[in-house]
Amino acid sequence: NAGVTQTPKFRILKIGQSMTLQCTQDMNHNYMYWYRQDPGMGLKLIYYSVGAGITDKGEVPNGYNVSRSTTEDFPLRLELAAPSQTSVYFCASSPGDSLAKNIQYFGAGTRLSVL
Amino acid sequence: DAKTTQPNSMESNEEEPVHLPCNHSTISGTDYIHWYRQLPSQGPEYVIHGLTSNVNNRMASLAIAEDRKSSTLILHRATLRDAAVYYCILWGINDYKLSFGAGTTVTVRA
Repeated sequence: NAGVTQTPKFRILKIGQSMTLQCTQDMNHNYMYWYRQDPGMGLKLIYYSVGAGITDKGEVPNGYNVSRSTTEDFPLRLELAAPSQTSVYFCASSPGDSLAKNIQYFGAGTRLSVL
Repeated sequence: DAKTTQPNSMESNEEEPVHLPCNHSTISGTDYIHWYRQLPSQGPEYVIHGLTSNVNNRMASLAIAEDRKSSTLILHRATLRDAAVYYCILWGINDYKLSFGAGTTVTVRA
């Protein structure tokens, strides 16, 4: 079972470059999320989506953009990369129905360095 | 968001039980108590959750105080693979996000 798949696993960017972090899930989940985790810290929510065509900001959205054109995919776009965006990025999904909606399934992460 | 308080770290010997406490004195009546763990260099994974009653699954047990202001995650027989950061998180019925704190780093000695 693939679950939540993130690509790439590692990336080094130069300041000012742009890139898209890919996330896809094969569980037909309605809800999807992007988090970032700085060294030694907990996860912080960047953006989330409750369904195709619907996205909303989390705690730390500045410098990022998302789109959700399909149920399966939730890409995260970094425009004009800055050193402060050096972090590990996790994508997650959850079913979004009744009591089961609150169990999130995470990908393996993308480790990004901006130099 | 209601907050949780956990110890920074705990140590255990292999095959011994581990009791991880979590305080959540401002919990509301509709908040669920969730536990996730994060193994080194991996994404978080769901462990268990509960509302009022104690819960058991194949990974762990969750003991919830009668006043719901605290809870304890119990790993019955710790293995080296249980070494991870454990997060106690409150989830409201209208919440869409998980609020991760610093968690408790569990070290298991062989």
